[in-house]
Amino acid sequence: DGGITQSPKYLFRKEGQNVTLSCEQNLNHDAMYWYRQDPGQGLRLIYYSQIVNDFQKGDIAEGYSVSREKKESFPLTVTSAQKNPTAFYLCASSRAAPVPGELFFGEGSRLTVL
Amino acid sequence: KQEVTQIPAALSVPEGENLVLNCSFTDSAIYNLQWFRQDPGKGLTSLLLIQSSQREQTSGRLNASLDKSSGRSTLYIAASQPGDSATYLCAVYTGTASKLTFGTGTRLQVTL
Repeated sequence: DGGITQSPKYLFRKEGQNVTLSCEQNLNHDAMYWYRQDPGQGLRLIYYSQIVNDFQKGDIAEGYSVSREKKESFPLTVTSAQKNPTAFYLCASSRAAPVPGELFFGEGSRLTVL
Repeated sequence: KQEVTQIPAALSVPEGENLVLNCSFTDSAIYNLQWFRQDPGKGLTSLLLIQSSQREQTSGRLNASLDKSSGRSTLYIAASQPGDSATYLCAVYTGTASKLTFGTGTRLQVTL
């Protein structure tokens, strides 16, 4: 079945550690996105990529890094520089040009900093 | 800057009732609008996508309308069921900003 797979579903991190969240899609979409969701707030865009080997900062990119070496994969690293990393992280994908199409999401990864 | 508002934040209705969820946006220069459903602790599931040239889209018991000039969209759910209980979010893609902006959602509870 086509879809987006995020792993791990739950992740615990000690302060000062970097962690990487995995996102893989088999929908043949060019565009991939990372969002952060906090209680009572709308989804906020961290990074997005329209094509392999290219990505752009979203609204809250500080303390995060990404790579896009393959079309299917868009991992997100939460670095120790992110001051408040405890949140629910959502990966999404869509066709890109000329206008983004329907957005499809993974099941999310919940990160807790101990 | 595009702002998307969903009112009410929470809604409780008895089973079988028809209901309308509202989404308003401040910048009418949108390419499309999408409605999603989110169950607790889960990702978002796409329900309907309306292109800027369309007035409405239908899928089963769901009907979404779009009025760009007034900056509003509604999601109509017919004959609600307990399984419809979830948070419903709308998101608009704004051409000028080249990004998707989400509302904070309406939490729906359908009671027996």
